[in-house]
Amino acid sequence: DSGVTQTPKHLITATGQRVTLRCSPRSGDLSVYWYQQSLDQGLQFLIQYYNGEERAKGNILERFSAQQFPDLHSELNLSSLELGDSALYFCASSVASWLGEGANVLTFGAGSRLTVL
Amino acid sequence: DAKTTQPTSMDCAEGRAANLPCNHSTISGNEYVYWYRQIHSQGPQYIIHGLKNNETNEMASLIITEDRKSSTLILPHATLRDTAVYYCIVVTGANSKLTFGKGITLSVRP
Repeated sequence: DSGVTQTPKHLITATGQRVTLRCSPRSGDLSVYWYQQSLDQGLQFLIQYYNGEERAKGNILERFSAQQFPDLHSELNLSSLELGDSALYFCASSVASWLGEGANVLTFGAGSRLTVL
Repeated sequence: DAKTTQPTSMDCAEGRAANLPCNHSTISGNEYVYWYRQIHSQGPQYIIHGLKNNETNEMASLIITEDRKSSTLILPHATLRDTAVYYCIVVTGANSKLTFGKGITLSVRP
């Protein structure tokens, strides 16, 4: 158990639907990251939050949105789902000492597997 | 962030050392070398990182050449559970959006 909790573990839904993935970071970690891993794309960075604020954005689609709440948990919302959104979605957290040693040591959760039919 | 080049795959025998190479010839002075691994469909796992000195922890050793253009991750006594994709990533010391390439698939055989 890495200390990063993701729910649900598995989710099956239909095209056009909307889902919410949830992540609780490791205790004491202020930063949360979301990654998408599909078979043909590898691990793709989506977005990062630090203490409730958006810090960095990757190739996140406009249909996707995320937020980090005051208790530091985060949610990734995926809407108007398409078949191509089927993937593993990973959340990671870090202490995010912003500069220097260990700034990029991330702890990943076990992932949420989304299947869009 | 500097680009890295890794072989596609390699294998080693259980109990032997696994030496995983990584080239990063365009690395700049403030960039660190990080290694992560991903066991099939699990979340990636941090292994080790370094700037210019060799580093060792309970999981592995990281050897960085003097010119810093390449590095080697060493798993001293590979086990079947070390079979995974290993990613070599070069990033600055600032909190960055880590970019995972294709990595190297290590297969540990009995």
